[in-house]
Amino acid sequence: DAGITQSPRHKVTETGTPVTLRCHQTENHRYMYWYRQDPGHGLRLIHYSYGVKDTDKGEVSDGYSVSRSKTEDFLLTLESATSSQTSVYFCAIRPSAPNEQFFGPGTRLTVL
Amino acid sequence: GESVGLHLPTLSVQEGDNSIINCAYSNSASDYFIWYKQESGKGPQFIIDIRSNMDKRQGQRVTVLLNKTVKHLSLQIAATQPGDSAVYFCAETRSNDYKLSFGAGTTVTVRA
Repeated sequence: DAGITQSPRHKVTETGTPVTLRCHQTENHRYMYWYRQDPGHGLRLIHYSYGVKDTDKGEVSDGYSVSRSKTEDFLLTLESATSSQTSVYFCAIRPSAPNEQFFGPGTRLTVL
Repeated sequence: GESVGLHLPTLSVQEGDNSIINCAYSNSASDYFIWYKQESGKGPQFIIDIRSNMDKRQGQRVTVLLNKTVKHLSLQIAATQPGDSAVYFCAETRSNDYKLSFGAGTTVTVRA
């Protein structure tokens, strides 16, 4: 998994609770990404980061926030989880060149 | 909507036969394409990539073909093996972009 870990790997939570997912890389790559994967939708970009404290929104960012205070860590927060956020979440890193991204093992989140 | 898509959601292949997985893209500005393989319970893994200045690229048992005229991408797997059973995604981007756009994926099942 290209030096990428995600924690937790599985989580069950209740609607309305805050949830934070962590992505950690050992490679010191500048670019990091958070995706969600749902049946029939492939991978959809939530947020991405192009450096410490530099982040931007993806196509499905509503209800999510991110933070990156260190190069190696990229956090995804659901401030108030909803059932529609039940999904598998993947973190990815991108070496400076070329454009391919390498993915972590994923976090399966269930919101009841 | 998504700019990259796959023609078929599922493909069943006899072990030893060749597999062909298709992908259509709509963004004519895209100049870099990637195929990923995702096994059950794991994150997507990079298989092979191709730039728009090429029509064909070969890897180990895999070949990617690019037809820019009709905006079509295909992945050919030679002598398909049980370990090739997975979901395959195509992704597209532009060289100066930091983001990938993914298709919905094709599930390949290898029959013994």
